[in-house]
Amino acid sequence: EAGVVQSPRYKIIEKKQPVAFWCNPISGHNTLYWYRQNLGQGPELLIRYENEEAVDDSQLPKDRFSAERLKGVDSTLKIQPAELGDSAVYLCASSPGSHNEQFFGPGTRLTVL
Amino acid sequence: GNSVTQMEGPVTLSEEAFLTINCTYTATGYPSLFWYVQYPGEGLQLLLKATKADDKGSNKGFEATYRKETTSFHLEKGSVQVSDSAVYFCALSVSQAGTALIFGKGTTLSVSS
Repeated sequence: EAGVVQSPRYKIIEKKQPVAFWCNPISGHNTLYWYRQNLGQGPELLIRYENEEAVDDSQLPKDRFSAERLKGVDSTLKIQPAELGDSAVYLCASSPGSHNEQFFGPGTRLTVL
Repeated sequence: GNSVTQMEGPVTLSEEAFLTINCTYTATGYPSLFWYVQYPGEGLQLLLKATKADDKGSNKGFEATYRKETTSFHLEKGSVQVSDSAVYFCALSVSQAGTALIFGKGTTLSVSS
């Protein structure tokens, strides 16, 4: 069974540019999470989806971050415009339901110059 | 609020040494507790979990016991191997606060032969 797929694995951009990350969860997993992991820190939740509905986006900086999960499968996380402080690893995770084990993708490492 | 504190690394051990990585937590309600491991170049993987007080999670020779009285979930292994070199994250989830995981900062383990 394929795991959570994320792309790109690495992205380098200049500040003020837009960037987007894509996540394909494990087939059949209804719950999808985006986390951000700063260097030397543990991951922190940005947004959680139950199917196509964002049920917890309280930690998402909505002035520059947006996310969508069309048709309740793949998800895209966007930053526009990016700032230097956005440099981090962006992790996607999925689970069969909101109280089940979360399976993580390899992450996208973003560097903002 | 809900938080996790784990011992800072790096932890450097020789093969077959005993491992302890300390983890304590603060939580409202009754959390579930987890240890995740991140091998170099890979995504986070669930190592073990415990969902109620006095439960012991175990996997691959690793163990951790949910201690409510000391709010701790220390990770132990009797004899580490070089292949155990990785970053270990302690985490909790509290259903009253949604199902997102709250992570500690991670502890890097390096095992030499």
